[in-house]
Amino acid sequence: GNSVTQMEGPVTLSEEAFLTINCTYTATGYPSLFWYVQYPGEGLQLLLKATKADDKGSNKGFEATYRKETTSFHLEKGSVQVSDSAVYFCALSEYGGATNKLIFGTGTLLAVQP
Amino acid sequence: GAGVSQSPRYKVAKRGQDVALRCDPISGHVSLFWYQQALGQGPEFLTYFQNEAQLDKSGLPSDRFFAERPEGSVSTLKIQRTQQEDSAVYLCASSQSGNRDSPLHFGNGTRLTVT
Repeated sequence: GNSVTQMEGPVTLSEEAFLTINCTYTATGYPSLFWYVQYPGEGLQLLLKATKADDKGSNKGFEATYRKETTSFHLEKGSVQVSDSAVYFCALSEYGGATNKLIFGTGTLLAVQP
Repeated sequence: GAGVSQSPRYKVAKRGQDVALRCDPISGHVSLFWYQQALGQGPEFLTYFQNEAQLDKSGLPSDRFFAERPEGSVSTLKIQRTQQEDSAVYLCASSQSGNRDSPLHFGNGTRLTVT
């Protein structure tokens, strides 16, 4: 079945450091790919998405490129801030399915220190 | 309201009790999902509604779990005879359509603790 694998956390960085959170997927067909973020005490929010191979999603300085050849959708940010501390979830939406049901990875906790 | 609203925010139940969790989706959103999120894990799909029709309930872990959305708006997730393994955060999400690219908007969840 379809699945998403994320790097385990926590990831601890100093402010202004470069961030990469790895995400790979297994899916039949051509899923859409998403990154969701969960700030402390808040609900999941869509961070960015990509719907086809080679698409780049970007938002708030974060970006991720849909790589079909490596089945990956790694999240990157050039310079993290303390306010980026949160749990990040990679997810896919199955292609050809009747719904936009999401399958999530286990999440990666990011802690940014001043 | 502006977002997806879930109530109660926290629920403590004794093992064997029945619980009901409520979700108010964004007005006009056709699709509604329930997810279960165990501690330290990603959300896992439970069930999906399109308007009032429950189109997918493949993720419900047992027949103790039941969900409804009778008028195609508010939804209730009911868990009968709760067990300790039911302890989790239950998330509701809605989206404007069932299109695979239509983003899901999540509520803050209901944290259920079964003692």
